[in-house]
Amino acid sequence: GDSVTQMEGPVTLSEEAFLTINCTYTATGYPSLFWYVQYPGEGLQLLLKATKADDKGSNKGFEATYRKETTSFHLEKGSVQVSDSAVYFCALSGISGNTPLVFGKGTRLSVIA
Amino acid sequence: DGGITQSPKYLFRKEGQNVTLSCEQNLNHDAMYWYRQDPGQGLRLIYYSHIVNDFQKGDIAEGYSVSREKKESFPLTVTSAQKNPTAFYLCASSPAASTAGYGYTFGSGTRLTVV
Repeated sequence: GDSVTQMEGPVTLSEEAFLTINCTYTATGYPSLFWYVQYPGEGLQLLLKATKADDKGSNKGFEATYRKETTSFHLEKGSVQVSDSAVYFCALSGISGNTPLVFGKGTRLSVIA
Repeated sequence: DGGITQSPKYLFRKEGQNVTLSCEQNLNHDAMYWYRQDPGQGLRLIYYSHIVNDFQKGDIAEGYSVSREKKESFPLTVTSAQKNPTAFYLCASSPAASTAGYGYTFGSGTRLTVV
């Protein structure tokens, strides 16, 4: 079945550092791919998405490119801020029927000043 | 503004009591979902519903029950049969059963503590 694998955290960075959170997937065809962010004590918010190969999703300085050849959707940000500290979830929507989203286990990011 | 409302935000119950968590959406979404999140853990699917009066079990449905009598509402009951109910519960919705291209909109969650 479909699956998502994220790099394990926690990830700790200094403010203004470059961020990469790896996400790879297993799925048939061309799934839709998503990144969600969860701030402490809150629900998940959609951060960005991509629906076809080579699409780049972007929002709030974060970017991710849908790479079919490497089945990846890595999240990047050029300069992180303390306010980016949160848990980040990669997810996919498969093409095989009306099935719920498949989520990775989440990666906790801590940014220190 | 459209969104999903979960209430209450914090809930305390004694062991052995059933408790119902509320989830209401005004997004006119067809599909709704319940997830459980434990500290430092990912999301685990409890139940989901694509249309009124129909729902399916997720990966950890034992000890939980749901109803979908109205499109806007998808309450979750945590029964006394759930062995370890203390957790953070998240409700989500999507425009259609197929989440391709849309993903979910999440509520802000209910933290349930059973003492």
